[in-house]
Amino acid sequence: QVQLQESGPGLVKPSQTLSLTCTVSGGSISSGSYYWSWIRQPAGKGLEWIGRISTSGSTNYNSFLKSQVTISVDTSKNQFSLKLSSVTAADTAVYYCARWDTSSGIFDYWGQGTLVTVSS
Amino acid sequence: QSALTQTPSASGSPGQSVTISCTGTSSDVGGYNYVSWYQQHPGKAPKLMIYEVSKRPSGVPDRFSGSKSGNTASLTVSGLQAEDEADYYCSSYAGSSIFVVFGGGTKLTVL
Repeated sequence: QVQLQESGPGLVKPSQTLSLTCTVSGGSISSGSYYWSWIRQPAGKGLEWIGRISTSGSTNYNSFLKSQVTISVDTSKNQFSLKLSSVTAADTAVYYCARWDTSSGIFDYWGQGTLVTVSS
Repeated sequence: QSALTQTPSASGSPGQSVTISCTGTSSDVGGYNYVSWYQQHPGKAPKLMIYEVSKRPSGVPDRFSGSKSGNTASLTVSGLQAEDEADYYCSSYAGSSIFVVFGGGTKLTVL
């Protein structure tokens, strides 16, 4: 059973960089036809896709966040990471990592989510 | 503003049926059969309920069904139960550039 777990600081100051890591267990991040994604959800609001990465390092980002976002992968550690630069209060949200199954077009496994608050 | 449009709320009594709609464009919902629905209870991660428009993952009750007509997808929950009360989000593949879009969510209340 594949499991994903987000980790990183829960509080980030405005203008700084938000950094999160997703650790994948129960299977190799390199196996199968999957993309590894970050999704966020501000309190009381809907889901927003941030970006994705393949294990070969190919990335796609949400056009609204593209200038701020960097997603990377470390296959040796079975992890992928998110960096969001120049954050503001509007970036306060629960951040989820998730696996995208390309054969079915679904996010089939999700992390539990981690709340990141942007505040001084 | 979400790319896919969902009505903010829906409700029904136990045992009744309720349908939630999700409207997109020919570039997402209408262009691909990769429409999925996620259920989210408060404080929990979303859970996949329907994929490829109408398929149910193992373990999802057959009370949940999905369909699509043109640019609009629908999720129907039949025989409503108290545990069905949750937020429901639709999503659609939108091509290799945009990749995936979500709806704004529908809060389903079981009266």
